[in-house]
Amino acid sequence: DIRMTQSPSSLSASVGDRVTITCRASQDIRNELGWFQQKPGKAPKRLIYGASILQSGVPSRFSGSGSGREFTLTISSLQPEDFATYYCLQHNSYPRITFGQGTRLEIK
Amino acid sequence: QVQLQESGPALVKPSETLSLTCTVSGFSINSYYSWGWIRQPPGKGLEWLGSILHSGSVYYNSSLWSRVTVSLDTSKNHFSLRLSSVTAADTAVYYCARIGDKDGLDVWGQGTTVTVSS
Repeated sequence: DIRMTQSPSSLSASVGDRVTITCRASQDIRNELGWFQQKPGKAPKRLIYGASILQSGVPSRFSGSGSGREFTLTISSLQPEDFATYYCLQHNSYPRITFGQGTRLEIK
Repeated sequence: QVQLQESGPALVKPSETLSLTCTVSGFSINSYYSWGWIRQPPGKGLEWLGSILHSGSVYYNSSLWSRVTVSLDTSKNHFSLRLSSVTAADTAVYYCARIGDKDGLDVWGQGTTVTVSS
């Protein structure tokens, strides 16, 4: 099974900060990775797919990069509505999929 | 617009079987996607449980494979989850989702909370 290690598990930041979250795969997953944002009581929402493709309607302050085993999600300038939990998800082993453990982004 | 909606009992007794259905609208489940179930225990992360292809082939999380069954009903355009011998540890929000081989998971249901308690 492919394992996804996401870091950090939690992060405190201020509005306007630049933030980076990392996911590492236990094996090469090419670019078959997505990033999701989840707010309390809601289903996750996809932000990025194909490691770096911005989902339609998602603000351009979100960006993804990486391929192979290491991936990053960057928020260039945090907005109040960005405080949430973020997950990476690999589908290289489709139809099996694996989530990262999540990163809780909190207001400093 | 593709929409997924979970339905089923909100309360299940320990040792019984949890059964949920995901009704798909705006898209045929008899297409080249997989249809999956994911859960999230209170305060915890997301866990993939299993998926079924339009062909009927099923794939399960190795940690739960002995208790999970996913099935498809193309005539009703829905798919289902059964989780047997439940315990309190199976209390979670259960989500259904559409997953593509090229672009991954792109559509979620809104989720349904299932509590295991006597």
